[in-house]
Amino acid sequence: QKEVEQNSGPLSVPEGAIASLNCTYSDRGSQSFFWYRQYSGKSPELIMFIYSNGDKEDGRFTAQLNKASQYVSLLIRDSQPSDSATYLCADRGGGTSYGKLTFGQGTILTVHP
Amino acid sequence: GAVVSQHPSWVICKSGTSVKIECRSLDFQATTMFWYRQFPKQSLMLMATSNEGSKATYEQGVEKDKFLINHASLTLSTLTVTSAHPEDSSFYICSARVGQFASPLHFGNGTRLTVT
Repeated sequence: QKEVEQNSGPLSVPEGAIASLNCTYSDRGSQSFFWYRQYSGKSPELIMFIYSNGDKEDGRFTAQLNKASQYVSLLIRDSQPSDSATYLCADRGGGTSYGKLTFGQGTILTVHP
Repeated sequence: GAVVSQHPSWVICKSGTSVKIECRSLDFQATTMFWYRQFPKQSLMLMATSNEGSKATYEQGVEKDKFLINHASLTLSTLTVTSAHPEDSSFYICSARVGQFASPLHFGNGTRLTVT
């Protein structure tokens, strides 16, 4: 059974700080990883995806992937109150699970002014 | 902008009735769409993979006779919740892949189903 685990929340950071969201996955065959943001009552929206080991930066967001440790993270720099949401980590498995996304339970982030 | 359109956004129905939810890909063809369900304060759980022109593939524990999926065209998949019960009340979200197989999924706006 594939599992994606996210660091327990909720996470609260002051405005302007760096928010760090972490995720581990169990399937060594997983090929790619995704971070989605979900506001209450809304569907998830894609923030970033990462396929290769290392860092990938997009604006205030940086995704980090370490396949050896089966670990993926999302850093949000200069956090804003509008970043307050639930962040979902997902992996796309390999083998017979290829193409399907398995989601973590989500981490609630609150950015306070 | 939104690339996957879902309708309706919310629906309230009586126990025992059926409800159809539509998922459309906008400006692209989706041979595969995915249907997820999300209960309050829980994460998304994949229900089934909808394949154009063939039968859907259901995840373990999902009743295929209760959740009917039809993917009759390259831009439309429908999920019908048959004989709905209050425990079926949930947030149903469809998704599709834009582009090649390795592309990320984009989600529709979701359908909030309440069964009374």
